[in-house]
Amino acid sequence: SAVISQKPSRDICQRGTSLTIQCQVDSQVTMMFWYRQQPGQSLTLIATANQGSEATYESGFVIDKFPISRPNLTFSTLTVSNMSPEDSSIYLCSVVDNSGANVLTFGAGSRLTVL
Amino acid sequence: AQSVAQPEDQVNVAEGNPLTVKCTYSVSGNPYLFWYVQYPNRGLQFLLKYITGDNLVKGSYGFEAEFNKSQTSFHLKKPSALVSDSALYFCAVRFSGGYNKLIFGAGTRLAVHP
Repeated sequence: SAVISQKPSRDICQRGTSLTIQCQVDSQVTMMFWYRQQPGQSLTLIATANQGSEATYESGFVIDKFPISRPNLTFSTLTVSNMSPEDSSIYLCSVVDNSGANVLTFGAGSRLTVL
Repeated sequence: AQSVAQPEDQVNVAEGNPLTVKCTYSVSGNPYLFWYVQYPNRGLQFLLKYITGDNLVKGSYGFEAEFNKSQTSFHLKKPSALVSDSALYFCAVRFSGGYNKLIFGAGTRLAVHP
C-alpha cells in the first residue's frame, strides 16, 4: 500500500494564525482526502483533492477556512486559516490503496493545538 | 442518508477472552464496510473490509468481522484478545456516491486487561 508522510506531526499555534499541513505520497494517486479528528471524536471528511481541479468540500467546510492545494499526483497541502481553539484537532491525509481494493490508507496525522 | 453506529464507547475484556466490537450501518444499496484501528499517536490502520462474498471476513492481527444483512451489522471479533489489541476501533461505510469517501462511526475504545 501507499506510504504517506505528513508534516508537521504536531504543532502548537496561536489564535488567528494559519498553518499549512503537507501530505506526501510515495506513489501517484488520483484522489487525496483530508479528514479532521477533533479531540475524542471520530473522523470527519473535510474535502477531496484532485490534481488539476479545485478541491471538493463537504458540508460545513469552506475553502476560505481550509484552502487546499494539489499541485501534482503525489502531494497536497491543507491550510487551516485564522485558527481558533476549536480548530485543535488531528488532521489526516488519506489516499486510495494502489491495489484498487477500495481501501483508504492514512497518514499518521498532524496534531494541531491552538492556544 | 448513510450512517454507521458504534453503540459502545468502550469495551473491556480480559486477555485471552473473545472480544466483540459492535457496528451497525444504514446505507442505500449494497454496503462497503470497513474496520480501522488507531493506536496512540498513530494514524489509522486498515483491519478488514466487506465488499461482497462471504459474510465472514478475516483481516489483520487475527481479527474477523461478520456481515449480517438482516441485522445491518458488521461486528468485529477476535477469538482471543491480547493486551496489545488495546486501541481505538472505527467502523466505516463508504459513501453511496463512491470515490472511496468514508463515513466513520464514533469509535470504540477497546481495553484488554492482563
